[in-house]
Amino acid sequence: SQTIHQWPATLVQPVGSPLSLECTVEGTSNPNLYWYRQAAGRGLQLLFYSVGIGQISSEVPQNLSASRPQDRQFILSSKKLLLSDSGFYLCAWGGQGPNQPQHFGDGTRLSIL
Amino acid sequence: AQSVTQLDSHVSVSEGTPVLLRCNYSSSYSPSLFWYVQHPNKGLQLLLKYTSAATLVKGINGFEAEFKKSETSFHLTKPSAHMSDAAEYFCVVSLISGGYNKLIFGAGTRLAVHP
Repeated sequence: SQTIHQWPATLVQPVGSPLSLECTVEGTSNPNLYWYRQAAGRGLQLLFYSVGIGQISSEVPQNLSASRPQDRQFILSSKKLLLSDSGFYLCAWGGQGPNQPQHFGDGTRLSIL
Repeated sequence: AQSVTQLDSHVSVSEGTPVLLRCNYSSSYSPSLFWYVQHPNKGLQLLLKYTSAATLVKGINGFEAEFKKSETSFHLTKPSAHMSDAAEYFCVVSLISGGYNKLIFGAGTRLAVHP
C-alpha cells in the first residue's frame, strides 16, 4: 500500500532563517506531488505541484521554492523565512490519471518567531 | 468554472444522532467529487469519492454521500455520530488543469459531537 511521510511534524524558526521540509512517498511510481499551506482557520492553498522529476510548477508567487530530486521525494525550501510563512504545510500525492484523489501527509506546523 | 460551497461552517450534533454536512458544487461537466476529513493537527484523510459510477457512495467510518445532479449537491451523511467524528470536513471537486488533477476545496465544515 502507498504511504506518505512528512517531517518534521513541528518546527519553530526565527525570521530570516532557511527552511527545508521533506516529503517522501512509498508504494507508488511517478506520482503527482503537491505542497499546500493551510493558514489558521482558512482553507488549503496550493503552493507547488510536480508531475515528474525536476518538473515544478508554482501556483502563487511567494518566498518559497520546491524541488523534486527523486521520483518520490518532494522538498519545500526557503532561503529566508518571513513571519507570513507561518502555517500548516501539507504534502500530498496523487495518481497521474484523471479524477484521481490526492492523499495527504500528516503535515508540518511551522511557526516563525 | 468549478466551485464548491459548503453550506454550514459549523455543525453540532449529539452522539448517536444523524450527521448531515451539506455541499453544493458548480461544474461545467460531470465532476469528480470527494469528501475529506481533517482531525486537529493532522493531514486530510479521504472519506469517499464520486467518479460517475453509483450516485450513492459509501466511504470509511460509516459515512456516505449521494450525488444529485439535479440539485448539484453532494451531501455527506452518517446515521449515528461518534465522538471520534468531531473534526473538520472538506468537500472537494477535481478538475484537470495543466496536466494534473487540481482540487478545488470548500471552506470546510467543523463538526462538533456532544455526549
